[in-house]
Amino acid sequence: GAVVSQHPSRVICKSGTSVKIECRSLDFQATTMFWYRQFPKQSLMLMATSNEGSKATYEQGVEKDKFLINHASLTLSTLTVTSAHPEDSSFYICSAPPGQNYGYTFGSGTRLTVV
Amino acid sequence: GENVEQHPSTLSVQEGDSAVIKCTYSDSASNYFPWYKQELGKRPQLIIDIRSNVGEKKDQRIAVTLNKTAKHFSLHITETQPEDSAVYFCAASKGNDMRFGAGTRLTVKP
Repeated sequence: GAVVSQHPSRVICKSGTSVKIECRSLDFQATTMFWYRQFPKQSLMLMATSNEGSKATYEQGVEKDKFLINHASLTLSTLTVTSAHPEDSSFYICSAPPGQNYGYTFGSGTRLTVV
Repeated sequence: GENVEQHPSTLSVQEGDSAVIKCTYSDSASNYFPWYKQELGKRPQLIIDIRSNVGEKKDQRIAVTLNKTAKHFSLHITETQPEDSAVYFCAASKGNDMRFGAGTRLTVKP
């Protein structure tokens, strides 16, 4: 089945530094990748949609200069949290639609802690 | 945009009983409705889905019903087991735009 590999699974960084999260589609081509953020005991909130070869589409209220998204190939999308602050600490998870007959496939998530 | 509401937020049942989780959506153009199960700290896992041209779908102990007119859909779990305990999310999707409900924390007591 369709697999999305996400790395790192956990990261602790200092306030003010940047963190890059990668999502790779392993056995299918992901022209689109969704990036979600999930706070404890809350739902998944869509942050942005990345499209291979074009600019990402950001949801209202999400700072595009802070959450940089790159989708340079059909198998790789990255989210960079720039100048991270403690309030950015969250569970970040990507998802891709592998095809008409499959549900959206999620990466394993990245737990970011900014200290 | 699409707005998905999910109820209840928490649900506790005795092992062997049935559990029902309900969701409503606002955009009549939404045509794909998946349900995900998420265990603590893990990725959501698709457990069942339904498309707008189908009214009901069943997979062993899990079933989903869809009422397009009323714009609501429900997840039914029968003969619940302790391992069914998790957070369940419904979602509504139109094209590549998928929105999630707030989640239901299901606890199955042995």
